[in-house]
Amino acid sequence: QVQLQESGPGLVKPSQTLSLTCIVSGGAISSGAYYWSWIRQDPGRGLEWIGYINWVGRTYYNTSLKSRVTISVDTSKNQFSLKLSSVSVADTAVYYCARASYGDPYYIDFWGHGTLVTVSS
Amino acid sequence: SSELTQDPAVSVALGQTVRITCQGDSLRSYYGSWYQQKPGQAPVLVIFGKNNRPSGIPDRFSGSTSGNTASLTITGAQAEDEADYYCNSRDSSDNHVRVIFGGGTKLSVL
Repeated sequence: QVQLQESGPGLVKPSQTLSLTCIVSGGAISSGAYYWSWIRQDPGRGLEWIGYINWVGRTYYNTSLKSRVTISVDTSKNQFSLKLSSVSVADTAVYYCARASYGDPYYIDFWGHGTLVTVSS
Repeated sequence: SSELTQDPAVSVALGQTVRITCQGDSLRSYYGSWYQQKPGQAPVLVIFGKNNRPSGIPDRFSGSTSGNTASLTITGAQAEDEADYYCNSRDSSDNHVRVIFGGGTKLSVL
């Protein structure tokens, strides 16, 4: 059973960079066939895809966030990371890391528990 | 359009059947998937592909697609099915690969 766990600061100041890491257990990122994803959810609102990365580092980002987002992978540590720069209060959300299918059909089969990140001075 | 549209709220009587729908152009090209989310918890995949259920999901959950509309049907809704439900698919309009979610449907079991 694959498990994902987000870690990182719960409070970030405006204009700074939000950094989160997702540690994957129960399966190797380098095994291929999946996209390793970041998704966020405004408190009480819907889900927003941030982007994903495959095992060799190919990335795809939400075009509305692309200028501020970097997702990277470290297969030696079996983890992947999110950096979101120049944050504002609008970036306050629960951030989830997740595993998504590589081909068609597309689906997200494993999610982390989520971590609340608050942007505030 | 790269949006998925869901009804904000739906209700169903205990034991009855309810269908939750999701509309979007991407569904003409890609299968949708469905997620159940209860308060304070991460979403859980309930349906993917043509009509596939992950291990552990009760068979009262089923899915279908027609044209630009994906549907999640719960046959014999139980109290524990009260939750928010989100649809999701890939989209490749404008030559950009992206992933999109519907706005969610709050299901009340009466």
